Amino acid sequence: KNEVEQSPQNLTAQEGEFITINCSYSVGISALHWLQQHPGGGIVSLFMLSSGKKKHGRLIATINIQEKHSSLHITASHPRDSAVYICAAQTSGSRLTFGEGTQLTVNP
Amino acid sequence: SAVISQKPSRDICQRGTSLTIQCQVDSQVTMMFWYRQQPGQSLTLIATANQGSEATYESGFVIDKFPISRPNLTFSTLTVSNMSPEDSSIYLCSVEARTGAYEQYFGPGTRLTVT
Repeated sequence: KNEVEQSPQNLTAQEGEFITINCSYSVGISALHWLQQHPGGGIVSLFMLSSGKKKHGRLIATINIQEKHSSLHITASHPRDSAVYICAAQTSGSRLTFGEGTQLTVNP
Repeated sequence: SAVISQKPSRDICQRGTSLTIQCQVDSQVTMMFWYRQQPGQSLTLIATANQGSEATYESGFVIDKFPISRPNLTFSTLTVSNMSPEDSSIYLCSVEARTGAYEQYFGPGTRLTVT
């Protein structure tokens, strides 16, 4: 069993839909990261969470430390949101353990 | 925040050759990391590049195959040596910057194909 698991692996949505990607982890963490990777390979850091909830534009990230679970929500999804979304658990120091990623496709 | 650039952005190389990937940051950072992402896989940490000392390698990665340099606080290189098709991956540089809290920033990646 991976230390960081994401679901779903693949997600297809219609433009405008509300999207949720889930992340569960089994290790103790100091922070939980959500990353976005576009087809070219480059990665953008979306959120770093240690508790509660953060919002940036149409993106919302939540974390429940007791349940070791985090969610990434996208409101009013758009085709430009199509990317791979990766959850990463920050454990000792700066070490990150990555989930397998969720491939999101938003159709117009 | 920290802005990271990598060179080259992509390359196609023949087996048996070596490729050096450069990572440049626009500010001084303490921690720099090199990751590999094989096709369809998640990211795997290769090593932590330490300024002024040898890199710290993760299990399964060795200095002879992935020599790393870190001459100063803004620059690092990763060399993929004696390449084989199994080395075809995206190689990513990341840095840790302290902007209130410790945050990690990622470079655009280098897409390597070995034929």
